[in-house]
Amino acid sequence: EPEVTQTPSHQVTQMGQEVILRCVPISNHLYFYWYRQILGQKVEFLVSFYNNEISEKSEIFDDQFSVERPDGSNFTLKIRSTKLEDSAMYFCASSVGPHSSYNSPLHFGNGTRLTVT
Amino acid sequence: DAKTTQPPSMDCAEGRAANLPCNHSTISGNEYVYWYRQIHSQGPQYIIHGLKNNETNEMASLIITEDRKSSTLILPHATLRDTAVYYCIVGPLNAGGTSYGKLTFGQGTILTVHP
Repeated sequence: EPEVTQTPSHQVTQMGQEVILRCVPISNHLYFYWYRQILGQKVEFLVSFYNNEISEKSEIFDDQFSVERPDGSNFTLKIRSTKLEDSAMYFCASSVGPHSSYNSPLHFGNGTRLTVT
Repeated sequence: DAKTTQPPSMDCAEGRAANLPCNHSTISGNEYVYWYRQIHSQGPQYIIHGLKNNETNEMASLIITEDRKSSTLILPHATLRDTAVYYCIVGPLNAGGTSYGKLTFGQGTILTVHP
């Protein structure tokens, strides 16, 4: 079964550094998402992306965050200047269509654990 | 999106049916009920969803009450690998009536399947 793959599985960075998290969505999917989960807390929506632009974003997704689909296969999340509170598990997801359409659930990757020191 | 209420934890014996309840009394007429689960250290995994009819797939069954204010996810023969956090999510919809995948996860139900 096709999977969403994320690299690296674990990233350690120093506060203030830029970090790029990478994802390869399922190949025929058109909608892409980032979620995050701080240790012991809920999974939180960050952003959705369709047709090369952001469709929806949460309050967490401020100017320090950006997303890009640099080629036909990768989907990236960049954090420009990391803070300690950015430490979390970041999940990429993709879907064939918008989640509200009947047969278009989200498929999640297994995440990148980001540790900011 | 409508809010959901789930018990924080449940236990189930291996091989028995696991019935996970969810209350969503403020659900709107065109909102779906979705179930996802998260096995430790993995990303959330889609299980099933429905609007008003009961649904069944290879993983589970979803029973939605007639008034749509509650639902039950049924794992017919639970295995140790079904130990996970199970999330009941309603929606998502934005003002335009469609949404691009903003799922609102709660704390979910920690299901522990024991031998």
